[in-house]
Amino acid sequence: GALVYQYPRRTICKSGTSMRMECQAVGFQATSVAWYRQSPQKTFELIALSTVNSAIKYEQNFTQEKFPISHPNLSFSSMTVLNAYLEDRGLYLCGARGGGDEQYFGPGTRLTVL
Amino acid sequence: GEQVEQRPPHLSVREGDSAVIICTYTDPNSYYFFWYKQEPGAGLQLLMKVFSSTEINEGQGFTVLLNKKDKQLSLNLTAAHPGDSAVYFCAVSEGGRALIFGTGTTVSVSP
Repeated sequence: GALVYQYPRRTICKSGTSMRMECQAVGFQATSVAWYRQSPQKTFELIALSTVNSAIKYEQNFTQEKFPISHPNLSFSSMTVLNAYLEDRGLYLCGARGGGDEQYFGPGTRLTVL
Repeated sequence: GEQVEQRPPHLSVREGDSAVIICTYTDPNSYYFFWYKQEPGAGLQLLMKVFSSTEINEGQGFTVLLNKKDKQLSLNLTAAHPGDSAVYFCAVSEGGRALIFGTGTTVSVSP
């Protein structure tokens, strides 16, 4: 079946430092990968959508300078939170889509910023 | 772009009662709809995926209704039990794009 792995599952970083998280699709080819953030007590906000052979599209409150994303092949994507601060804490979800329209979610990377 | 409003934000019910959560979306081109359950400290668990052609969808212990005319998606938990206590999110997609999530509903089921 289709599975999405994310790592690390939990991470802690100091304020002002950067943190990289990864997303791996298994059992299908991830033609697009969406990254979401769930801040504490909030819903899931779309950060950006990366589609193979297209530019990565960032949503209004998120930038490539702050959340650079790499999607080098059909099974892997990574995102870095640069210069993390308290407001960047939360659960970061990766949602990968294959040829169909269902998005498979990973378990998330929970980021704590000290 | 698409906006999804979800209500109520909190719902407390007794075991055995039913609970209804409603999402209202704005984009008439949306044709994939999802309900997810998030338990404390966990990621998302897919409850049901609904296509725009299907108005009534039954799962185990719940029913999902899609009203395209009013652009509403509802989740009806029938005979709630304590294991249903969680945060529930609806999500909407036009297809080929990422999901837009509702604001979430925290459901508490008391014995």
